[in-house]
Amino acid sequence: GESVGLHLPTLSVQEGDNSIINCAYSNSASDYFIWYKQESGKGPQFIIDIRSNMDKRQGQRVTVLLNKTVKHLSLQIAATQPGDSAVYFCAEINSGGSNYKLTFGKGTLLTVNP
Amino acid sequence: EAQVTQNPRYLITVTGKKLTVTCSQNMNHEYMSWYRQDPGLGLRQIYYSMNVEVTDKGDVPEGYKVSRKEKRNFPLILESPSPNQTSLYFCASSPLGGSEAFFGQGTRLTVV
Repeated sequence: GESVGLHLPTLSVQEGDNSIINCAYSNSASDYFIWYKQESGKGPQFIIDIRSNMDKRQGQRVTVLLNKTVKHLSLQIAATQPGDSAVYFCAEINSGGSNYKLTFGKGTLLTVNP
Repeated sequence: EAQVTQNPRYLITVTGKKLTVTCSQNMNHEYMSWYRQDPGLGLRQIYYSMNVEVTDKGDVPEGYKVSRKEKRNFPLILESPSPNQTSLYFCASSPLGGSEAFFGQGTRLTVV
């Protein structure tokens, strides 16, 4: 059978509904948490970020929530559109000391049904 | 136009034949990095560079080399490619201290 590790988490929503994509992170020392969107055949594209000293940040149709207690990050997309269909990655930046490291999660596939 | 340019976009090669994937950015960014993307595994960092002549290993550096002789260029070198290096590769750049990384279009490498 197939390995569980080969399957991306998926989320399927109807056009116009709100979407919530979740991510668990591991490094409490990260300075920034970021969401990227990757459309088929393209490189990841920055959507929104949040500093570690914040718990909520809003952009255009998107909101990122950070819960440091349980190390959880979420991306909310309002009024989801077919163009939002993509793989969404959470990422974290750790710039402790002389280092600077950008680490990605495994991604969630969002499918928007018309 | 601000961009990260990778070449080639597609490459099929044979085991053991040295190859280089180029990456160039025109945004004067200090930080550049290489990732490989495999199904279900997300983006895993291979190597990164915080400035000219400063490079360091990421999470999966085995079988790869990089160099950073100029700020704009960060080539990825596979001295002796093997089939397990068949993957989709992305180069990215960002300013140090910034949170937005800019990615290239990707290089799909197949090693037979």
